[in-house]
Amino acid sequence: NAGVTQTPKFQVLKTGQSMTLQCAQDMNHNSMYWYRQDPGMGLRLIYYSASEGTTDKGEVPNGYNVSRLNKREFSLRLESAAPSQTSVYFCASSDLAGGPLDTQYFGPGTRLTVL
Amino acid sequence: AQSVTQPDIHITVSEGASLELRCNYSYGATPYLFWYVQSPGQGLQLLLKYFSGDTLVQGIKGFEAEFKRSQSSFNLRKPSVHWSDAAEYFCAVGAAGTYKYIFGTGTRLKVLA
Repeated sequence: NAGVTQTPKFQVLKTGQSMTLQCAQDMNHNSMYWYRQDPGMGLRLIYYSASEGTTDKGEVPNGYNVSRLNKREFSLRLESAAPSQTSVYFCASSDLAGGPLDTQYFGPGTRLTVL
Repeated sequence: AQSVTQPDIHITVSEGASLELRCNYSYGATPYLFWYVQSPGQGLQLLLKYFSGDTLVQGIKGFEAEFKRSQSSFNLRKPSVHWSDAAEYFCAVGAAGTYKYIFGTGTRLKVLA
């Protein structure tokens, strides 16, 4: 039982390049989330998926797209990377049907640098 | 608007000393409150959570937190800190009616041997 896995662990991009961050969970969770973590700002929600087939914007969605490929996988795409997207990205999932009481389980993160 | 404030950016304590990390929230209804810990290079791990009942909540690794509605606080405590507790700690509130957490900006704990 690996929990929440993320690939890659590290990535360096040039401005304008695109990439997809992958996330998978093996806990049969319904809800999945993408956060970014910046110094002094805590974690901010980019997008979330309450269940397979649905996605919704979070606090900072601009410049990102997501795909809930199936129940296990939730990917985050940067179409044209900008230096402001330099951050650590965390994927998380939660059990039950989603909601404020759910414990969220986090992946190890992807450290992205955009030059 | 809902918000979470962790007023201490950094805290340094000696090993064996007691610890209290502060968390204040602003929320219109009954909040659902969480404390997470992030060790260096790792994701976040849940320490404890509160949504109703006893206002003193016990968590993993010997941590506890007390919900005080009158003070809009949910402070995290540990009676005796271990060197392995050095990490960053995040308070979060669950937003009712949504799937979202609102995280505080974190408190980085340093433990002196």
